[in-house]
Parts: sequence; structure tokens; C-alpha cells
Amino acid sequence: GENVGLHLPTLSVQEGDNSIINCAYSNSASDYFIWYKQESGKGPQFIIDIRSNMDKRQGQRVTVLLNKTVKHLSLQIAATQPGDSAVYFCAENRANFGNEKLTFGTGTRLTIIP
Amino acid sequence: DTGVSQNPRHKITKRGQNVTFRCDPISEHNRLYWYRQTLGQGPEFLTYFQNEAQLEKSRLLSDRFSAERPKGSFSTLEIQRTEQGDSAMYLCASRSGQGTRYTFGSGTRLTVV
Repeated sequence: GENVGLHLPTLSVQEGDNSIINCAYSNSASDYFIWYKQESGKGPQFIIDIRSNMDKRQGQRVTVLLNKTVKHLSLQIAATQPGDSAVYFCAENRANFGNEKLTFGTGTRLTIIP
Repeated sequence: DTGVSQNPRHKITKRGQNVTFRCDPISEHNRLYWYRQTLGQGPEFLTYFQNEAQLEKSRLLSDRFSAERPKGSFSTLEIQRTEQGDSAMYLCASRSGQGTRYTFGSGTRLTVV
């Protein structure tokens, strides 16, 4: 069945350093992948997404890399700030197949050390 | 546009009571979703509406759960005869038919005692 999982449950990074959060998926039929940030007491907040026909996409301080060969997704955050501390989820969707739901992984807690 | 609004933010109820949550999506979004999130886990899909039609329901949505979106705008999620296992964060999300970006609300945290 579908599975979107994460390699590491927690990650601590010094403020100003770059962080990399990884995610493995098993469904090769996914259309696109999304990274969400969730702060305590709040709903998931969209960060960046990537279509399955791309291998890299950049946003403001964030880059998502997709390696379809090994079914691996990563989120790179440059020059981390205290406000980046949160739980990060990857999610996948197969909208082109009429599948409306997002399938989330269990999340990685990122802690920025001042 | 104030985003997706959910009420109440917190609900504590005794086991066996009924509860109802409300979600107001972004006004121009015709798709609305309910998810459930337990501590330390990612959100899990419950159900989905396109306008007023409920088009998909997860196996997680037992007979005690019912969701409505009567006018294709706000939605309600009702849980009857609550059980302790229903304790979770209930998240609502919406998106337009054109875009791929789902916008989530802040959720309703349910505690069943």
C-alpha cells in the first residue's frame, strides 16, 4: 500500500546552518509531493511542492529535491532561523488519478539551537 | 481572505457525548477536506467534499462520524457517542479546483475524558 515515511524523527541544527530533512516514499504513482511545516497548536502550513516530473525546485531559503530512482524526497532549509523550529511533514498526492487525499508521513521535529 | 477557520479550537467532552465541529473554508475554494491527527503522527484523511457533495470517505470514518457541507460553503463534522480513542486534532483543509495547494485550518483539539 501507500507509504510516506521519514528517516529521522528529530533533527537539531545550529542557527545559521543549513538543515536537510529527508523523506522516503513507496508509491511511484504519486503526482506530486509537498512539504508542510507545523508549529505547535497550528495546522500544517504549505512550504513548497514539486511535481513528479521535476527533480528540483527552489523557494525562498528552501529547496526540495526529488530522486525518483530511490523514491527519496528532501527539504533543504538554508541559513536556519529560530522560527524554523517546527515539525516538518512530507506528503504525496495522486490528483491526476482522481485521488484527492494527501498521504502524510509521521514528521521530523526540527529544533534550531541559538 | 482570512484563511480556513475552525471552531471551536478546543473541546473537552465526556465519553458518550456528541460533539460537532465547524469549518469555514476559503470562500472561493470548492473542495473541502477533513483530517485527523494524533500526537506525533501526520494527519490522516477522513473525508472530502466537492461543493456540497461528499465524494470520498476513509475507512477511518466510522458510523459514529458524519460530515456535511449543506450549501457548499462551511462544513460540520459530528462525532456521536464519543470514545477516548476519538481524542485527536481534527483538521480542515480547502483548495480550489484549479490549484494544487491545500490550505489547512488550525484545527479543533478534541479531548474525550
